[in-house]
Amino acid sequence: GEDVEQSLFLSVREGDSSVINCTYTDSSSTYLYWYKQEPGAGLQLLTYIFSNMDMKQDQRLTVLLNKKDKHLSLRIADTQTGDSAIYFCAERIYGGYNKLIFGAGTRLAVHP
Amino acid sequence: SAVISQKPSRDICQRGTSLTIQCQVDSQVTMMFWYRQQPGQSLTLIATANQGSEATYESGFVIDKFPISRPNLTFSTLTVSNMSPEDSSIYLCSVSTANEQFFGPGTRLTVL
Repeated sequence: GEDVEQSLFLSVREGDSSVINCTYTDSSSTYLYWYKQEPGAGLQLLTYIFSNMDMKQDQRLTVLLNKKDKHLSLRIADTQTGDSAIYFCAERIYGGYNKLIFGAGTRLAVHP
Repeated sequence: SAVISQKPSRDICQRGTSLTIQCQVDSQVTMMFWYRQQPGQSLTLIATANQGSEATYESGFVIDKFPISRPNLTFSTLTVSNMSPEDSSIYLCSVSTANEQFFGPGTRLTVL
């Protein structure tokens, strides 16, 4: 079946690294995505990784993918107060209409 | 990337009425998607809309309740019909490219 799970809450100190984890069940995933949603706003695409890659780095963001364990993580280096938001991971299912399956979202709180 | 706009950004409606949400993209895209985000929840796909064909609805969503139009490659509408308070949600339009998927800012609907 199609299921994506995330921990619901993460609290970090400003300047530390944040690691948000995600697990998924569908082995036919083609792409995996991380989105950021600030209060009252839509979804901002942060980064994505193709399913045959292990790692992708983009400035302060590092995505790690363990396809064997179906585990995805997003590391945010030097976390700032502006990073406080809800982070959603999503997988694109192979075939059909490129449907995305979303996790429940992880609320990241950054404190001084 | 794709820039997506939605109208209205928010609305408060009475039970039993209908609301049509518009989605405009700044480039031609084959597939457009409509998602729903209920309060405090993750995103759920309502339907996929391809130009020139009937929309494809996900389990739990029906055309009579959520009729969709897709008259050209840059525009789509979603109507929420015969609304009830349970329809209070954020409705988001989305488009996909080969690798990425982008979301509009959402329409925040409150039904009284």
